[in-house]
Amino acid sequence: DAGITQSPRHKVTETGTPVTLRCHQTENHRYMYWYRQDPGHGLRLIHYSYGVKDTDKGEVSDGYSVSRSKTEDFLLTLESATSSQTSVYFCAVNTGYSYEQYFGPGTRLTVT
Amino acid sequence: GQQLNQSPQSMFIQEGEDVSMNCTSSSIFNTWLWYKQDPGEGPVLLIALYKAGELTSNGRLTAQFGITRKDSFLNISASIPSDVGIYFCAGVPPRGQNFVFGPGTRLSVLP
Repeated sequence: DAGITQSPRHKVTETGTPVTLRCHQTENHRYMYWYRQDPGHGLRLIHYSYGVKDTDKGEVSDGYSVSRSKTEDFLLTLESATSSQTSVYFCAVNTGYSYEQYFGPGTRLTVT
Repeated sequence: GQQLNQSPQSMFIQEGEDVSMNCTSSSIFNTWLWYKQDPGEGPVLLIALYKAGELTSNGRLTAQFGITRKDSFLNISASIPSDVGIYFCAGVPPRGQNFVFGPGTRLSVLP
């Protein structure tokens, strides 16, 4: 257990509304990641963070922004949700001393 | 970009049978990892491989880092019902911190 929680675990929202997903970790890991998981695509990286206020884009970052103001929290924001952003979102952490990433339980987001 | 292929896409086996699955790419990777995902949960790390040719076991699971660095293999011996799930491989490319994930192999175990 890497001490990762995600909230909310489930959310239904309407097209055009802003949505923020939270990832919280208790073990001071330096690196944090946001992925989305869709059938036929596996896990795709949205954004990642390598320290407080240090973030970078992944392969599917369009329409998403992130913030990390504290080591333990990494927020993913959909400024104006679209139906194509319906997905399961996973947060992951990594110490930076190895390549082993540990995943949270996921957030299922439905955009209607 | 770099992609990983996993085969088979899905498999149905009898309880007690051994299972083999693989992950291949046209690019080389410096690190391979294998994850298992149960329905409604996040992927759980099973095995990490850091060196070409490396063979690592975790209980009934054995994984190998291919000698060409373009593939990896996962074997499960004497399967049990709780082995059911989706198995993902992930690779870390040279000079990269970010993973590339395969699409997964879905394993079903019949009693």
